[in-house]
Amino acid sequence: GAGVSQSPRYKVAKRGQDVALRCDPISGHVSLFWYQQALGQGPEFLTYFQNEAQLDKSGLPSDRFFAERPEGSVSTLKIQRTQQEDSAVYLCASSLSGGGTDTQYFGPGTRLTVL
Amino acid sequence: GENVEQHPSTLSVQEGDSAVIKCTYSDSASNYFPWYKQELGKRPQLIIDIRSNVGEKKDQRIAVTLNKTAKHFSLHITETQPEDSAVYFCAASGSGTYKYIFGTGTRLKVLA
Repeated sequence: GAGVSQSPRYKVAKRGQDVALRCDPISGHVSLFWYQQALGQGPEFLTYFQNEAQLDKSGLPSDRFFAERPEGSVSTLKIQRTQQEDSAVYLCASSLSGGGTDTQYFGPGTRLTVL
Repeated sequence: GENVEQHPSTLSVQEGDSAVIKCTYSDSASNYFPWYKQELGKRPQLIIDIRSNVGEKKDQRIAVTLNKTAKHFSLHITETQPEDSAVYFCAASGSGTYKYIFGTGTRLKVLA
């Protein structure tokens, strides 16, 4: 079946612009995660949804970052007033149930470059 | 908070040799340990995982070992091939949480 998809794959923004990154999880997957991956580093947790409920947003770096999943499927990560330090690959992952021992399947990521 | 350390950061081996990547974790409640392979510009792909009720798991040329007492787990790749060249990430998670804590990655180069 289809895996996790993300769009756009690449985004270039000028400092101060707002961006929206989209994630389509695997159909039927209850849980959805966003991670930020800086160059040469491992993914770092940003936020977690179980269906439409955002249960954890402790990893979001600032209040400029906002995520939603209104119908429990597609999710959008929005970054307002982008800064250069926001440049990274943003990875989305989904899992069937969301328990800590559940396998997470990753999308290809969106590479954000802020000039 | 939970921390996962991964070593080495880079590893070069000759084709056909074995490669070993080691990780340690801090949270003794962790009980699920996946390994991901990430090729340049591509998504992390799960290659093997292990749960805390077993000490070793093998899948063809890939094996993972877990020492819960020492809070160590390792990835072993035998008979390495050029297509094994990639960045490998370990991660830890547990029943009391849902998010993965990743290591910093190991860049493996298999020299033909």
